[in-house]
Amino acid sequence: QSALTQPRSVSGSPGQSVTISCTGTSSDVGGYNYVSWYQQHPGKAPKLMIYDVSKRPSGVPDRFSGSKSGNTASLTISGLQAEDEADYYCCSYAGSYKVVFGGGTKLTVL
Amino acid sequence: QVQLQESGPGLVKPSETLSLTCAVSGYSISSGYYWGWIRQPPGKGLEWIGSIYHSGSTYYNPSLKSRVTISVDTSKNQFSLKLSSVTAADTAVYYCARLSGVRGAVGDYWGQGTLVTVSS
Repeated sequence: QSALTQPRSVSGSPGQSVTISCTGTSSDVGGYNYVSWYQQHPGKAPKLMIYDVSKRPSGVPDRFSGSKSGNTASLTISGLQAEDEADYYCCSYAGSYKVVFGGGTKLTVL
Repeated sequence: QVQLQESGPGLVKPSETLSLTCAVSGYSISSGYYWGWIRQPPGKGLEWIGSIYHSGSTYYNPSLKSRVTISVDTSKNQFSLKLSSVTAADTAVYYCARLSGVRGAVGDYWGQGTLVTVSS
């Protein structure tokens, strides 16, 4: 059960869009439409931003969107704002009640 | 509003057992959902430890399965984690969470986390 692969860092200027990728295998990301994304600010607990690949919990801005193609899921943040600067983690169901996280991506808003 | 709060010793000696409890308010554990534990070593990423269904069925990360026990106490509306034979590699912030979605793969409510250091 290996961790999902994410870029270590991405960056963008305010107002721009950024996309964070999350690559797994056919046993996790590619096998199920159960990918979620979490935002984590320093010293804080993770916050659910996207679940079931593309669904947004109540209260999450529609600037955040998710998608999946094959074994790779993506989180896109449009209209970047300073408060979006944080670490982002993808997560996928991996069968037999197992769950696997990505290694995390640090988003810097320039 | 669902709230979760972790509690337990912040320092555990190597080879001993780490024990944490998660108190839940705003929702009755016996009503449903999965409830789980996730950890984060300092400066590193998240690792799923395991979960328990409200009925008591448990599911563990295969890499930790031999050392982990998760249990639930519905009378106190709390659930617990025990991790045996700890080493320095088990030093981490431990989070408890309510898990929704298919097979409890989505953490929709999280505790604030508690740092557990393994050291003599």
